[in-house]
Amino acid sequence: DAKTTQPTSMDCAEGRAANLPCNHSTISGNEYVYWYRQIHSQGPQYIIHGLKNNETNEMASLIITEDRKSSTLILPHATLRDTAVYYCIVGGSGNTPLVFGKGTRLSVIA
Amino acid sequence: DAGVTQSPTHLIKTRGQQVTLRCSPKSGHDTVSWYQQALGQGPQFIFQYYEEEERQRGNFPDRFSGHQFPNYSSELNVNALLLGDSALYLCASGGRLSYEQYFGPGTRLTVT
Repeated sequence: DAKTTQPTSMDCAEGRAANLPCNHSTISGNEYVYWYRQIHSQGPQYIIHGLKNNETNEMASLIITEDRKSSTLILPHATLRDTAVYYCIVGGSGNTPLVFGKGTRLSVIA
Repeated sequence: DAGVTQSPTHLIKTRGQQVTLRCSPKSGHDTVSWYQQALGQGPQFIFQYYEEEERQRGNFPDRFSGHQFPNYSSELNVNALLLGDSALYLCASGGRLSYEQYFGPGTRLTVT
C-alpha cells in the first residue's frame, strides 16, 4: 500500500502557483520523497525528489517539513499543460520500485 | 534519443489467451520495470529486471512473467488472460543508481 496521503483533487488558476500537499507520517529515515505526474493517456513523468532538504529544478520546488512527515510540491506558474494527476511517492534510493497511490488530480483553469 | 518505447500501442485479446508486450529502455539505461494501471487507479509494480534477471517482484501471480535481453530490452508475458487483466501496461527504465525513472507511453490491453 502507498505510504502517502494526498487530496483527491485541486484547482488552480492559470499563472498562479499550484501547491500540492502530501502526508507521509510513516516515512523512514533513509526514504526519499518522489513526485511524478501523469498527463491523460501518457506514462508518468518524473518531476523531483528529495530526502531532507528543499529541492528546486526547472519544473518545480519541493518543500519537506523538518520532521519529514509531510511535503509540498510547488509549480510556480501553473499552465494549462500542467493539468494532470500528481503522485507523491515514498521510496528508497536508486532505481527503487515505485508504490503509487491514487494521487491528486490538478486542474489548471484559464 | 527516442526515450522509452513500447509495442504494441493497443491490443485486444480473448480470455484464456496469452500476450507478449515489449519495451525498449531509454539509451544508457540498464534496468527495466513493469507496471499495471487499471482504469482510475495508480500504476501497480509488477517486476523489475536488471542484468537479465528478475530482481524484485510485486504482488502478481505467476501468470505474469518477463524477460530481459542482452541489449536491455524487455518483454512482459501474461498467460491465461482474465478479464481483470485489462489495463494499461507501463514500462519504466532507469540507471541502476539513478533516482529518476522514465516511463513509456504504455500498452493498452483489453481482454474480452
